[in-house]
Amino acid sequence: GQQVMQIPQYQHVQEGEDFTTYCNSSTTLSNIQWYKQRPGGHPVFLIQLVKSGEVKKQKRLTFQFGEAKKNSSLHITATQTTDVGTYFCAGQAAGNKLTFGGGTRVLVKP
Amino acid sequence: NAGVTQTPKFQVLKTGQSMTLQCAQDMNHEYMSWYRQDPGMGLRLIHYSVGAGITDQGEVPNGYNVSRSTTEDFPLRLLSAAPSQTSVYFCASGASPRGIYEQYFGPGTRLTVT
Repeated sequence: GQQVMQIPQYQHVQEGEDFTTYCNSSTTLSNIQWYKQRPGGHPVFLIQLVKSGEVKKQKRLTFQFGEAKKNSSLHITATQTTDVGTYFCAGQAAGNKLTFGGGTRVLVKP
Repeated sequence: NAGVTQTPKFQVLKTGQSMTLQCAQDMNHEYMSWYRQDPGMGLRLIHYSVGAGITDQGEVPNGYNVSRSTTEDFPLRLLSAAPSQTSVYFCASGASPRGIYEQYFGPGTRLTVT
């Protein structure tokens, strides 16, 4: 079945630094979504990418969908303590199933 | 709007017991789904529904049943609880005219099976 992998599993970042987390699917996706889950909370939708090569920005967050629609990335600039949490990508291939990656757990050092 | 609500918030079961986790949404969403999240892990799809009367299996359906008699409600039934079903269960809903769009998650049910 479809698999979605995320790297790194953990990201320790100094406050103010930038980092990138990557998402790779075993199959071509029709769309990919990104969610953020704060410790003890539930996943919250961040963004959806649909088109090949699409790039979207939300303030300090930049999301990219690969040309082959099999990978995606999330880049955060000038990390803040409010960025702490786990970031998940979730991809939809054929059918009505959304497959989540394992997540990248972000810890910020002040 | 309350969004997606789940009850109970916490539950402890003994092995072999059955129970139903409740999920309701007031956004008139066609698509609803159940995920489980084990400690330090991602979300795994248990069952989903694209509308009232229509359900289908996700990647980990064994030991769980669902039904969708109304657009608003999507209960998840554990048939005979096992320790391996200890997890946090999230219900989600979303509008889905053609694809799967933004999913709204409930606060979760933390289940422990002893």
